Amino acid sequence: QVQLVESGGGVVQPGRSLRLSCAASGFTFSHYGMHWVRQAPGKGLEWVAVIRYDGSEVNYADSVKGRFTISRDNSRNTVHLQMNTLRPEDTAVYYCARVQGHTLCLDYWGQGTLVTVSS
Amino acid sequence: QSVLTQPPSVSAAPGQKVTISCSTSSSNIENNYVSWYQQLPGTAPKLLIYENNKRPSGIPDRFSGSKSGTSATLDITGLQTGDEADYYCGTWDSSLSTGAFGGGTKLTVL
Repeated sequence: QVQLVESGGGVVQPGRSLRLSCAASGFTFSHYGMHWVRQAPGKGLEWVAVIRYDGSEVNYADSVKGRFTISRDNSRNTVHLQMNTLRPEDTAVYYCARVQGHTLCLDYWGQGTLVTVSS
Repeated sequence: QSVLTQPPSVSAAPGQKVTISCSTSSSNIENNYVSWYQQLPGTAPKLLIYENNKRPSGIPDRFSGSKSGTSATLDITGLQTGDEADYYCGTWDSSLSTGAFGGGTKLTVL
């Protein structure tokens, strides 16, 4: 069965960096685009970033552009989110999700990993 | 502030029907498919509807979606207490190559 497992969350000071990982299993990872979506405590979903199935194209929300980098390793079935210059407003649960096609049809989600940016 | 606008909350009695709307002033809904997600308390979102009106395997036909112009709706019939959750619409803006979610609607089954 399809499984997505995020890791790498934790408490970090403002201005520091953190790298999230999402390990995929149960499907042919290299055939699917992958997204990161976050949810601040008590708030709604916010789209963060996407990477094409082959890594050839990436896109970001304006709120993270220039600070976050999405990447993937199809040999290890893993997608990453490198988060630099973190701000308190980046505090959220971060979910990775698999996408079907060129829409926002996110058919499988991980359980999420919590990132807390605080001094 | 979300690009897509949803009512913050809706409520109805068990067995009744509820409609959740999702609208925008831009063309991102009009020109792209809409998906709907259910998020039960303390869990990850779950895909309910994709491509405006299609249900993934395992989603009961009590859940249905539609789209017209710059608005989309999610209908839930035969409400059950287990349907109490937050519901989000989402779309891919192909002109900006970015995703967008609505602010979410909390469903209370009275």
